[in-house]
Amino acid sequence: EADIYQTPRYLVIGTGKKITLECSQTMGHDKMYWYQQDPGMELHLIHYSYGVNSTEKGDLSSESTVSRIRTEHFPLTLESARPSHTSQYLCASSSLVQGLHSYNEQFFGPGTRLTVL
Amino acid sequence: KNQVEQSPQSLIILEGKNCTLQCNYTVSPFSNLRWYKQDTGRGPVSLTIMTFSENTKSNGRYTATLDADTKQSSLHITASQLSDSASYICVVSATGFQKLVFGTGTRLLVSP
Repeated sequence: EADIYQTPRYLVIGTGKKITLECSQTMGHDKMYWYQQDPGMELHLIHYSYGVNSTEKGDLSSESTVSRIRTEHFPLTLESARPSHTSQYLCASSSLVQGLHSYNEQFFGPGTRLTVL
Repeated sequence: KNQVEQSPQSLIILEGKNCTLQCNYTVSPFSNLRWYKQDTGRGPVSLTIMTFSENTKSNGRYTATLDADTKQSSLHITASQLSDSASYICVVSATGFQKLVFGTGTRLLVSP
């Protein structure tokens, strides 16, 4: 099982609150990712990072922001939560698998289910 | 447009039976295809990863196949168990990209 952790696992908050979703990995991976997943739908990449001080926006536009001050830590922040932010947020990290065809193998955390009332 | 389509959307089978899940993709240029298992409320867990040169890979009772010419993949589950109840997601990566294209998954329910 991958060593990637997310807290909290569940969060119910009111509109307008500021929240931070935590993600940590102990595998020393440089690349980390945040995905958003609605029930029964596919995962959408919202942020990723190549390493410390690197952050990029993903395919799905998101009002959240991320930071990468330490290799192992990739928190996601919503400055003012709204009901439209209700979703599951999944963090992942990846390592490069070298071979004839190299690829990045992603390991996912357990997710944070966010509900904004 | 890079897309991954999976069928069926959902499936119910009896414990002990076999089943096959399908994945069609239009991602190009193709790098690798992955199958993940996602339990309800959890993050996806990798089952198999196949690169361009591989056309079959097994992980216990799970066997994935890949036909890069027709851009199709299948995941065969043998002798299903109740713990196999989950969503199975097909994910394709394009060469040179760091991002993955996800299918919407097949929701499998194994009934006793």
